[in-house]
Amino acid sequence: DGGITQSPKYLFRKEGQNVTLSCEQNLNHDAMYWYRQDPGQGLRLIYYSQIVNDFQKGDIAEGYSVSREKKESFPLTVTSAQKNPTAFYLCASRRQGATDTQYFGPGTRLTVL
Amino acid sequence: AQSVTQLDSQVPVFEEAPVELRCNYSSSVSVYLFWYVQYPNQGLQLLLKYLSGSTLVKGINGFEAEFNKSQTSFHLRKPSVHISDTAEYFCAVSDPGTGGGNKLTFGTGTQLKVEL
Repeated sequence: DGGITQSPKYLFRKEGQNVTLSCEQNLNHDAMYWYRQDPGQGLRLIYYSQIVNDFQKGDIAEGYSVSREKKESFPLTVTSAQKNPTAFYLCASRRQGATDTQYFGPGTRLTVL
Repeated sequence: AQSVTQLDSQVPVFEEAPVELRCNYSSSVSVYLFWYVQYPNQGLQLLLKYLSGSTLVKGINGFEAEFNKSQTSFHLRKPSVHISDTAEYFCAVSDPGTGGGNKLTFGTGTQLKVEL
């Protein structure tokens, strides 16, 4: 089956630790995105990548880092510099056509204790 | 910058009643518009999208939306809801002219609660 996988589903970390969230897609999509979702705030864009080895900051990139070494993978690291990391994180991907739709993974809920 | 307004944070409705979820966006230039649905602790699923052409767009699960350029609105409707429609609904806009990766700007979401 083609799709986007995010692992793990739930993640717990102690304050001050870096943590990496996985996002993998087998849809052969060029672009990938990371969003953060908080109650009552909708989705906010953290980082996006349109091509391998290139990525751009979104609206709330501070305290996060990404890499795009392979087309199918776009891991997100939540660093200790992120002041309020507890949230639901969603990964998405799309082809590069202007009218193509973003498709979303199932999400990872990160709780920092 | 684009912005999307979903004025209703929660909409309660009885089963088999009609429902309208409101969405307004800020841009006056050509945009692409989307409605996504999210069930608890899951990712987002595309309901429908408007790219161009007919202003009435039909989607999955019996939903439809109407694009109104003069009012910069894209309201979502369903003539008869089912208990399984209980979920959070997000409106989103993409500006294809920016060249910036076709980023989506989301509204804050509307929680639809269908009651028996």
